[in-house]
Amino acid sequence: GENVEQHPSTLSVQEGDSAVIKCTYSDSASNYFPWYKQELGKRPQLIIDIRSNVGEKKDQRIAVTLNKTAKHFSLHITETQPEDSAVYFCASSNNNDMRFGAGTRLTVKP
Amino acid sequence: DADVTQTPRNRITKTGKRIMLECSQTKGHDRMYWYRQDPGLGLRLIYYSFDVKDINKGEISDGYSVSRQAQAKFSLSLESAIPNQTALYFCATSDLHTNYGYTFGSGTRLTVV
Repeated sequence: GENVEQHPSTLSVQEGDSAVIKCTYSDSASNYFPWYKQELGKRPQLIIDIRSNVGEKKDQRIAVTLNKTAKHFSLHITETQPEDSAVYFCASSNNNDMRFGAGTRLTVKP
Repeated sequence: DADVTQTPRNRITKTGKRIMLECSQTKGHDRMYWYRQDPGLGLRLIYYSFDVKDINKGEISDGYSVSRQAQAKFSLSLESAIPNQTALYFCATSDLHTNYGYTFGSGTRLTVV
């Protein structure tokens, strides 16, 4: 719950490069941190998540890191492809409700 | 996914009208949520419900009301629509016991003129 700040708001990378999106949260009770991908005109889809007892999680080209002390977490996409172009949202949850960042529009240029 | 269904998909309504957005799910999830999405503001929580008898206000509940008619149905009402309620509205569900990531509906694009 409470506020989630997300940066940058827009990100443009060349195909094959890496992309990093960062979020900070304020609620110390937050224990679950998902990332969503929203393609144009579609619903947000969960792509990866991490719980507070874990520092890092990886799924193929996507990884998420969490620093609970500093209250920040990041999404890392390696070897980006044009189909990675979308809006990405981070979120934090304290078991009651989930608060979202404002989103990052990622553009991967071929 | 057809397992979280929102109706209507698009709606244009006039200022002052009452409108209801509906959400139904076949996932068997206990928890249901309503969010609105505005450009540059992300997703903001309007209301959420953990079961049929439980309703909670979110960040931006003013001007909205909800009804949890059954475990599978959660509707959002705008009692008297105003233009700044023009937005994309999403319903979402999650499981009480796992609290894993949400499953979103396809969204309702509402325009208030």
